[in-house]
Amino acid sequence: EPEVTQTPSHQVTQMGQEVILRCVPISNHLYFYWYRQILGQKVEFLVSFYNNEISEKSEIFDDQFSVERPDGSNFTLKIRSTKLEDSAMYFCASSGGQGALSDQPQHFGDGTRLSIL
Amino acid sequence: AQSVTQLGSHVSVSEGALVLLRCNYSSSVPPYLFWYVQYPNQGLQLLLKYTSAATLVKGINGFEAEFKKSETSFHLTKPSAHMSDAAEYFCAVSDLSGGYNKLIFGAGTRLAVHP
Repeated sequence: EPEVTQTPSHQVTQMGQEVILRCVPISNHLYFYWYRQILGQKVEFLVSFYNNEISEKSEIFDDQFSVERPDGSNFTLKIRSTKLEDSAMYFCASSGGQGALSDQPQHFGDGTRLSIL
Repeated sequence: AQSVTQLGSHVSVSEGALVLLRCNYSSSVPPYLFWYVQYPNQGLQLLLKYTSAATLVKGINGFEAEFKKSETSFHLTKPSAHMSDAAEYFCAVSDLSGGYNKLIFGAGTRLAVHP
């Protein structure tokens, strides 16, 4: 069964450094998402991406964050200048392009654990 | 705005016992509801989804959930727990208020299964 893959599984970065989290969505999917889960808290929506542009973003997704689909397969999340509070598990997800948008389930990767020192 | 409440952050059952994980939602429109499971060090795996067809939804691994509009609930059940069911379970509602789909998650329920 096709999977969403994320790399690296764990990233340790010094505060103030830039970090790029990488995702390969399922190949025929058209909608891409990033979520994060701070330890002990809910999974929170960050951003959705469709047709090579951001379709929606949350309040968390400020100017320090950006997303990109640099080629036909990768989907990246960049944090420009990391802060301690960016430490979290970051999940990438994708969903298919056929049928009603709302009932298409999102398929998640295993996540990248980001630790900011 | 849509929201999800999961009652009970931790649930413990004996192997072979009934599993009941509670989820209540708030939605101004007919909701699309999902249950996901997260095993240790893994991502979120879809268990089942409700998308306004049958109110009783069957998922993988013997789980099912019943949509009850009058109670705004979407509780997850399994008749007989197995040790391998130990994991964290998340209920989620689809939010289309921004024009595109995003998931609003509950806080999660950690299920422990004892021999």
